Order: sequence, then structure tokens, then C-alpha cells
Amino acid sequence: AQRVTQPEKLLSVFKGAPVELKCNYSYSGSPELFWYVQYSRQRLQLLLRHISRESIKGFTADLNKGETSFHLKKPFAQEEDSAMYYCALTGEYGNKLVFGAGTILRVKS
Amino acid sequence: EAGVTQFPSHSVIEKGQTVTLRCDPISGHDNLYWYRRVMGKEIKFLLHFVKESKQDESGMPNNRFLAERTGGTYSTLKVQPAELEDSGVYFCASSQKWRSYEQYFGPGTRLTVT
Repeated sequence: AQRVTQPEKLLSVFKGAPVELKCNYSYSGSPELFWYVQYSRQRLQLLLRHISRESIKGFTADLNKGETSFHLKKPFAQEEDSAMYYCALTGEYGNKLVFGAGTILRVKS
Repeated sequence: EAGVTQFPSHSVIEKGQTVTLRCDPISGHDNLYWYRRVMGKEIKFLLHFVKESKQDESGMPNNRFLAERTGGTYSTLKVQPAELEDSGVYFCASSQKWRSYEQYFGPGTRLTVT
């Protein structure tokens, strides 16, 4: 079964501190992993995907197949990073996104 | 470029009534998806259209839900009759192609069944 686990409902950090949002997945094949973000009063939008191996807004995520993880990291949090973050995957044979429960990131000044 | 639009933004109906949600995808996007987030739970897939055809409807909860996509353009999701547990936020998304391509989400329709 496809499953995405985000163990933290809320992560609160101070501005300038490092951030790591955890994501673990369960999938027997070769999934594609994504991070989506929803800022206050905005729609859900793609932040990054593992196949791109890029850094967006200072965030990076590395797919670790051995640990089945796709943690989202940023070395120095900014107040504008405060949002709801969702980890998601798609399998080889379909397009549907399977979402984790989401983690609220609060960056305090 | 206009994004995915959804109508209405909010709907409050009584149990047993019918509600129809509409989604207009980004022009040229063949793939259209419906998801929903029920209170306190994760966003869950409902179904996927490729043009006017249902590619995957494995997430549709029961036969009270009916989705259509006329002419491969906009889509409607009808709930008839609505039950209390149908309350939540219904999202529509569209993408140009499949799998690796970004899904662009609409703002969602908040449905409250009383």
C-alpha cells in the first residue's frame, strides 16, 4: 500500500534556525516524491520534486531509498516560510498524489 | 495564465440535499484530478480524468458521488444525497501530462453538510 507519514503536526522554530520537516513513505516500487506547500490564504502549490534535485526558496530534499525518507531541509528559516507543508508521492502506474497529513511550520521572530 | 478555478468557494447544505461542485482546469491541461480533505485528515485522491475519460476513480467513496468532465474541459462533482461525513474541502487540480508533471491546484470548495 502507498503511504506517506509526516510525524510532526507542528514544527516551531526561530528565525535563522535550521529546519527539517520529516517525511517517510511506504511504496514497493519506484515512487516519485514531492513537497507541496500552502501559505496562508493561498492555494496548494508545488515546492519541489525529487527528480529535479533543485533548491527552491533555500529548501532541499533528498530521496533516501534505504530509509524510505524524503525530508525537507533549510539551513536558515525565514518568517515567510511559515506555512503548511505536505509530502506526497505518486507511483509508477498512476498519477494520483498520495499525501501525508501535513506539517505546520511556524517561524518565530 | 489563469489558474485552476473552482466554484463555489463555500457551500452549506442540509443532509440529504444535492450539491454540485465545478472545476475549470488550466487551458490545455488534459489531466484533471479531484481530491478532498475531510476535517483533521489528510488530503485524499478521489478521481482522475484524462480529457473526458475517467482514468482512475478508485478514491470515490461511494455511489453518492458522481463526477463528469464534459468535452474534456470543465468538470463537475455532484454529491447526492449529501451526508454529514461529506463535509470538507474539495480540491481540483490539473496537469499537462502525467506523473512527473506538476499538478496545479485550485483554491478548493469548502463543503459543510448540516
